Amino acid sequence: DIVLTQSPGTLSLSPGERATLSCRVNQKFDSKYFSWYQQKPGQAPRLLIYGASSRATGIPDRFTGSGSGTDFTLTISRLEPEDFAVYYCQQYGSSSWTFGQGTRVEIK
Amino acid sequence: EVQMVESGGGLVQPGGSLRLSCVVSGFPFGSYWMSWVRQVPGEGLQWLADINQDSKTKYYVDSVKGRFTISRDNAKNSLFLEMNSLRAEDSALYYCAKDGQYFDHWGRGTLVTVSS
Repeated sequence: DIVLTQSPGTLSLSPGERATLSCRVNQKFDSKYFSWYQQKPGQAPRLLIYGASSRATGIPDRFTGSGSGTDFTLTISRLEPEDFAVYYCQQYGSSSWTFGQGTRVEIK
Repeated sequence: EVQMVESGGGLVQPGGSLRLSCVVSGFPFGSYWMSWVRQVPGEGLQWLADINQDSKTKYYVDSVKGRFTISRDNAKNSLFLEMNSLRAEDSALYYCAKDGQYFDHWGRGTLVTVSS
């Protein structure tokens, strides 16, 4: 089974700081099927990054996706108050989609 | 504007059944794969099933195979999830999502509670 492991589980930062979120996949796959989502309380997930590094429509350029193979990173260059949320990675392989367990970015 | 509205959730006893619906507008529904994803409140996301444009191809996560059935009606811009033999661990918020190489549109979810 494909497993996505996100780290850290929780990231405590202040507004204006840089956030670096990691997602490791236990096997190689086509990175065009790798995405990042943001979810705020009471809301559905929102697509941030697709194809590992392409920003979705309307996503600010402070969000950057990178990586390939089995290691992927979401970087938020300068945290805005609205960026404190839970972030999930996702990939497609073997006819199924898998999500990571999430990283919570909280205000320090 | 894309709108995706789920319905059909509610309280059901263990072993019971429910049929969830998702009505879509704002994009050509019949041109896209569609998925169901669920989330236990306070926990992570779990993909459940997806269906291709002409309903000939369907995939499921192992934990719901044989119990859940995904279907669609392109004429009515609607996606469905028939859920049978429900268990307490199926209690969650169920989302429909526009599938493809990523999930770029989601509904707001419908809550399913399995309890006696």
